[in-house]
Amino acid sequence: SQQGEEDPQALSIQEGENATMNCSYKTSINNLQWYRQNSGRGLVHLILIRSNEREKHSGRLRVTLDTSKKSSSLLITASRAADTASYFCATEAGNFNKFYFGSGTKLNVKP
Amino acid sequence: NAGVTQTPKFRVLKTGQSMTLLCAQDMNHEYMYWYRQDPGMGLRLIHYSVGEGTTAKGEVPDGYNVSRLKKQNFLLGLESAAPSQTSVYFCASNQGPGTEAFFGQGTRLTVV
Repeated sequence: SQQGEEDPQALSIQEGENATMNCSYKTSINNLQWYRQNSGRGLVHLILIRSNEREKHSGRLRVTLDTSKKSSSLLITASRAADTASYFCATEAGNFNKFYFGSGTKLNVKP
Repeated sequence: NAGVTQTPKFRVLKTGQSMTLLCAQDMNHEYMYWYRQDPGMGLRLIHYSVGEGTTAKGEVPDGYNVSRLKKQNFLLGLESAAPSQTSVYFCASNQGPGTEAFFGQGTRLTVV
């Protein structure tokens, strides 16, 4: 299975701190995406990083990809209470872009 | 622009009953997906479609059928519901490989 696995499963930090989440996967990929899910809602796309990219930024988000280690990390800087959500990585591989999701990291940012 | 709309939002079924979940997207996307989300297991792909009239199996297709008769709609059917199909179902769509997926708000299904 291509399924990504996030680590840690849960993370609790204070507002203003940085949050780092990791994702590992098993086979070669075309790209990797990060999504956020607020409680009881659908997933929202955050950022996409292609297999030939090593780092990407979007606002307070920084994503890295290490294809040799088959891993990615999502860094949220200066976290806010509104960042409280579950974060998922999704890997895409093969000819058809089936997304395989991990079980997610549940982030709690305390005000 | 509604994005991806799922109906219904909630449903309770008795074991053995059938139902159809509807997903509609207004973004002219080629690819559509059905996932189920269970506690601690993330999202698992049930079926997907890479264009009108096409469907394919994902990771957990057993007990489900799908149809994509129109480009904007992707239907997920449960012919004989089982308690193991109690879950939250999400539909998603995107334009193709390497593009972001847009998700619906989910359908919470309980089979008793």
